[in-house]
Amino acid sequence: AQSVTQLGSHVSVSEGALVLLRCNYSSSVPPYLFWYVQYPNQGLQLLLKYTSAATLVKGINGFEAEFKKSETSFHLTKPSAHMSDAAEYFCAVRGGTSYGKLTFGQGTILTVHP
Amino acid sequence: EAQVTQNPRYLITVTGKKLTVTCSQNMNHEYMSWYRQDPGLGLRQIYYSMNVEVTDKGDVPEGYKVSRKEKRNFPLILESPSPNQTSLYFCASSPWDRIYEQYFGPGTRLTVT
Repeated sequence: AQSVTQLGSHVSVSEGALVLLRCNYSSSVPPYLFWYVQYPNQGLQLLLKYTSAATLVKGINGFEAEFKKSETSFHLTKPSAHMSDAAEYFCAVRGGTSYGKLTFGQGTILTVHP
Repeated sequence: EAQVTQNPRYLITVTGKKLTVTCSQNMNHEYMSWYRQDPGLGLRQIYYSMNVEVTDKGDVPEGYKVSRKEKRNFPLILESPSPNQTSLYFCASSPWDRIYEQYFGPGTRLTVT
């Protein structure tokens, strides 16, 4: 079965500091992995995706993530946080038994301090 | 503008009173799905639809119904709402060839008292 664990329900950084949001997954099929972002009072939007091509993937707003099969991880990073990055971030893996299904992690709320 | 719309955005209702949350997309997507979001649990899939007249259960379908009579619409029906269905609901859609790259609606916050 597919599952996603996001380490840390809240992460707080200063503006300009490195952002690191952790995601570990379990999958019975070759994983497709995603990061979605949810800004306050909005729906989720796709930030970036890994679908078995390059292991380092770049997304919108300067975010990137690296797929590490040996560690079953897909951590999200950004070199320099901006106030506008404050949001909730969800890691997701494609479902195994249900085509089209995404299994989401619990979410990580990112707070950026001035 | 390409979008997924949901109505209503906020709803407070009482136990047992039937309600429908509408979802519509203007991108001609084949795949549509409903999720509920609860604190600490992330998003969990309720029902999904591969195309018109094709629907199937997700992880938490109990107490919900759906229909897909038109490609653009995918309403979520709660025949007899209960307080444990108080949640934030999201509709999502995606094209067949990028099925996991889902476009989400703005959410419907439902409170059942």
